[in-house]
Amino acid sequence: EVQLLESGGGLVQPGESLRLSCVASGFTFNNYAMSWVRQAPGKGLEWVSAIVGHGGDTYYADSVKGRFTISRDNSKNTLYLQTNSLRAEDTALYYCAKDRIEMATTRFFDCWGRGTLVTVSS
Amino acid sequence: DIVMTQSPDSLAVSLGERATINCKSSQSILYSSNNMNYLAWYQQKPGQPPKLLIYWASTREPGVPDRFSGSGSGTDFTLTISSLQAEDVAVYYCQQYYNTPQTFGQGTKLEIK
Repeated sequence: EVQLLESGGGLVQPGESLRLSCVASGFTFNNYAMSWVRQAPGKGLEWVSAIVGHGGDTYYADSVKGRFTISRDNSKNTLYLQTNSLRAEDTALYYCAKDRIEMATTRFFDCWGRGTLVTVSS
Repeated sequence: DIVMTQSPDSLAVSLGERATINCKSSQSILYSSNNMNYLAWYQQKPGQPPKLLIYWASTREPGVPDRFSGSGSGTDFTLTISSLQAEDVAVYYCQQYYNTPQTFGQGTKLEIK
């Protein structure tokens, strides 16, 4: 069974940092591009960042470019999102999501974790 | 960025009746080299992550009931639920993956009348 389990969220003050993690199981992790998608409380979905299977190419939404860094450790089947200089508008549930198509970067998602909540408030 | 606009924002349909949700992209998401529309539909129930229903605008994900269907091309797309069941109450999102950033519609809340 394919599973994604996020962790690392929490309550931080503006300007602080958090490192989010997503542990994957049930599929060949390094064959799939992965993304982070967030959802502010009561709001819609916003794609944040993506990384290809081998980790060599990364992509970011303009809203987080220069502040967030996506990475992966394929030996640990784990995806990361380093979030720096956090702002109130970054408050959201952060989902880890798996690309549907193997060995591609089609970037639609057939498996999502339950999410980890990041709250930025003074 | 490609803007995805869904209509209506909310919809109430009687059990067993048809539900139709529309999604319009600000530019064509039909890739001419493969004649594929880069559009997906998701269902999100309260307290749950989104679930993939449809991709390539009309390909149903395995395990999704056949009452769900997707249609459209270019800039205009539709998700149809042919006979609404109680378990279909959810928010539905369209998503374009034609280019980066991938963008979602604002969501359509589907309820039982």
